[in-house]
Amino acid sequence: AQSVDQPDAHVTLYEGASLELRCSYSYSAAPYLFWYVQYPGQSLQFLLKYITGDAVVKGTKGFEAEFRKSNSSFNLKKSPAHWSDSAKYFCALEVRNNNNAPRFGAGTKLTVKP
Amino acid sequence: EAAVTQSPRSKVAVTGGKVTLSCHQTNNHDYMYWYRQDTGHGLRLIHYSYVADSTEKGDIPDGYKASRPSQENFSLILELASLSQTAVYFCASSVLRGGGEQYFGPGTRLTVL
Repeated sequence: AQSVDQPDAHVTLYEGASLELRCSYSYSAAPYLFWYVQYPGQSLQFLLKYITGDAVVKGTKGFEAEFRKSNSSFNLKKSPAHWSDSAKYFCALEVRNNNNAPRFGAGTKLTVKP
Repeated sequence: EAAVTQSPRSKVAVTGGKVTLSCHQTNNHDYMYWYRQDTGHGLRLIHYSYVADSTEKGDIPDGYKASRPSQENFSLILELASLSQTAVYFCASSVLRGGGEQYFGPGTRLTVL
C-alpha cells in the first residue's frame, strides 16, 4: 500500500532563510504528488503538484518542489521565507490508474519568525 | 472558481445521537472525499466516491456512513455519535482520475458531548 511520510512535525526558521520541507513516499511506481497548505483556522489550499516531466515543479506563493525518484522524495522549497508562510504543510500521494483516493502525510508545521 | 461548501460549519452533538454532515460542490467534479482532522494532526480519509450512488471506504470508515445521491452532493453520517468522533471534518472534490488537485471545503467542527 502507498504511504506518505513527513518526518518533521515542526520546522522553525527566521524570515529570509531558505525553507525546505521534507516528504518521502512509499510506492512502487511513479505517483502523482501534491503539496497543500493550511493556514491557522483555515481549510487546505493547493500549492503544486507533480504529474510527469520536469522534476522541479513551481506552484503558487513562490513555492517549488523537486521530485526525486532515486530516493522517493518530493521536498517543498522556497527562498526566501516570509513570516506569512507560517502554516501547516501537507504532502499527498495519489496512485496512477486507480480509483483509490489520495493519501496525506501527517503534515509539517512551519513557523517563520520575523 | 471551484467551490465546495459544507454544512453545518459547526455542530455540537450528544453521544449516541445521529449526525449528518453535508457537502456540496459546484465544480462538476466526479470525485468527492471526506476527511477528518484531529487537533494538531493530519488528514485521515473516511469515505470517498467517484460516481453518484456509489461510495468507497477509506482508511477509517468504522462508525461512519456516506451517501452520494448526486454528483454535487456527498454526505457523511454518524449513526451513533461517540466522543472519539470529535474532530474537524473536511470535504473535498477533484476531477476525474489524472492527478487533479483537490478543492477543500471550509470544514465542519463537530463536538460530541
